[in-house]
Amino acid sequence: DTEVTQTPKHLVMGMTNKKSLKCEQHMGHRAMYWYKQKAKKPPELMFVYSYEKLSINESVPSRFSPECPNSSLLNLHLHALQPEDSALYLCASSQGYRGLFRENQPQHFGDGTRLSIL
Amino acid sequence: AQKITQTQPGMFVQEKEAVTLDCTYDTSDPSYGLFWYKQPSSGEMIFLIYQGSYDQQNATEGRYSLNFQKARKSANLVISASQLGDSAMYFCAMTGLGNKLVFGAGTILRVKS
Repeated sequence: DTEVTQTPKHLVMGMTNKKSLKCEQHMGHRAMYWYKQKAKKPPELMFVYSYEKLSINESVPSRFSPECPNSSLLNLHLHALQPEDSALYLCASSQGYRGLFRENQPQHFGDGTRLSIL
Repeated sequence: AQKITQTQPGMFVQEKEAVTLDCTYDTSDPSYGLFWYKQPSSGEMIFLIYQGSYDQQNATEGRYSLNFQKARKSANLVISASQLGDSAMYFCAMTGLGNKLVFGAGTILRVKS
């Protein structure tokens, strides 16, 4: 069992729908991440939150909107997605860092949400 | 910028034998972390082992060990006594600025009975 919980596990949506992916961790971690992974490829970083503040946005299209309501929760709001956005979306957490200080701490991943856009 | 290279797209190993998965990296930062993750076909990304750039000894975690050769910028994963459940995709990764993980392309390992 993973300590990072993602819901839903599978999601099928149309291009005009609005949906949200949810991620929760109870490890006391203060950094949380969203990754996108296409089949047989490595994960690609989308967003990083550190101490509930967005610290990295890897030039992700605005149809993806992250939200960090508190230190345990991370959401990814989806709107007007394209078929090429179909992928496995992985959430991860780590102990966290401030500023340029690098924790070099392992990131612990959830099981992911498999997203299909019709 | 950090870069991870995994040159083995796929590997086969006989059950109960040891296997080495190769990983080389490139960075100009003096402080960095190196990681190995396992991803079965079900999709979850499982953290296996961590090596810090200033660690003097190679990291070990059960059947996993990391052969860290700093001068050669290599961080190979050694799995001893392979099991059928070890069949998966394996990613080498390192931390960059902002604790961003940079992944290699991955190696698919198949364990034969």
